Amino acid sequence: AQRVTQPEKLLSVFKGAPVELKCNYSYSGSPELFWYVQYSRQRLQLLLRHISRESIKGFTADLNKGETSFHLKKPFAQEEDSAMYYCALNGGTSYGKLTFGQGTILTVHP
Amino acid sequence: DAGVTQSPTHLIKTRGQQVTLRCSPKSGHDTVSWYQQALGQGPQFIFQYYEEEERQRGNFPDRFSGHQFPNYSSELNVNALLLGDSALYLCASSAQGGYGYTFGSGTRLTVV
Repeated sequence: AQRVTQPEKLLSVFKGAPVELKCNYSYSGSPELFWYVQYSRQRLQLLLRHISRESIKGFTADLNKGETSFHLKKPFAQEEDSAMYYCALNGGTSYGKLTFGQGTILTVHP
Repeated sequence: DAGVTQSPTHLIKTRGQQVTLRCSPKSGHDTVSWYQQALGQGPQFIFQYYEEEERQRGNFPDRFSGHQFPNYSSELNVNALLLGDSALYLCASSAQGGYGYTFGSGTRLTVV
């Protein structure tokens, strides 16, 4: 069975502070991990995926297979980063069944 | 490109009724997945359609069924609605061999 856990429902930081959104997963094989973001009144959209190892909007995430984690990080948070963030796992098939965490609401205060 | 289009936006149904939700995938995408998102929860996978067949299914009862048409659009049908079926229903499309899934804005279903 595959599971994604985001331990923090709410996370508040001040503008310019570092931010880390935690994600832990449970899966026996080699997972694909994603971060999705949902800004206010917008649809869910892909932020980044671990395979590409890219940085989007200053966010990065490293897959740590030993700790089964895929935490999302940004060194300097901006107010426009305030949103709901979901970590998601694709259990290694090509069929694309995504298992989502419960999400973390990030609020960046001015 | 309009991306993924879902209709209707909102829907109110009575317990026991049946409902049909519709989804048009993003241009170039041939695979459609449906998710249920209850309030305060992450989306939960219902099923996925490819080549007009259900390819994978999540942990949902048979009251949930679907269909994919030759133009890749899809329908989600829910029979014998329960109060607990009230949720946001999301459609996501993708292309075979591609990464990433494009989500629609969802249909908000309220069962009273």
